[in-house]
Amino acid sequence: SSELTQDPAVSVALGQTVRITCQGDSLRSYYASWYQQKPGQAPVLVIYGKNNRPSGIPDRFSGSSSGNTASLTITGAQAEDEADYYCNSRDSSGNPHVVFGGGTKLTVL
Amino acid sequence: EVQLVETGGGLIQPGGSLRLSCAASGFTVSSNYMSWVRQAPGKGLEWVSVIYSGGSTYYADSVKGRFTISRDNSKNTLYLQMNSLRAEDTAVYYCARDVMTLAGGGNYYYMDVWGKGTTVTVSS
Repeated sequence: SSELTQDPAVSVALGQTVRITCQGDSLRSYYASWYQQKPGQAPVLVIYGKNNRPSGIPDRFSGSSSGNTASLTITGAQAEDEADYYCNSRDSSGNPHVVFGGGTKLTVL
Repeated sequence: EVQLVETGGGLIQPGGSLRLSCAASGFTVSSNYMSWVRQAPGKGLEWVSVIYSGGSTYYADSVKGRFTISRDNSKNTLYLQMNSLRAEDTAVYYCARDVMTLAGGGNYYYMDVWGKGTTVTVSS
């Protein structure tokens, strides 16, 4: 089955821009979706499709994709953005499975 | 309001069985793809199983043959029957509503509604 690879940890200064990446073969066939998870809470969808934000997600969150790499960009990171971020897509190897990246811990300094 | 509420978690001995429930409100379970996703303590998200609106079911290799996903349309509820439980099944289990779109402009798959989760601990 396919795998999605993320950097384990990323940090950003308050108010600066940070990019979190996700790599995998399935991303050549499916756009990644991105989830934010804070400690003790369920994941929340923040980006899906080409670059779509669900209602209530701030516009400082954006997504992009190129080849086998998807990116989540936070422009002007806020303290409340400190969280774990996961990418996800559908397996494109022939299995009708769903895959998640290992997650990226974002620290806002 | 669109909502998912999981119940049924608890402490269970290795080899035991447990059934998780996920009650939906604000939408119809049978009209959607629905997944179970779990998260072991201190670990990342792991997809467990999906049931399509048409009734097809699929499982992660780690649970295939032991877990069964199903739904009760009259109760608008999703289930996960877990048998032959192992210590490594210890996790918070979430149910989620899946959306898959296959289009010329690009394909995408995402989970737009999540429950708060229910904790399963497998230990003697």
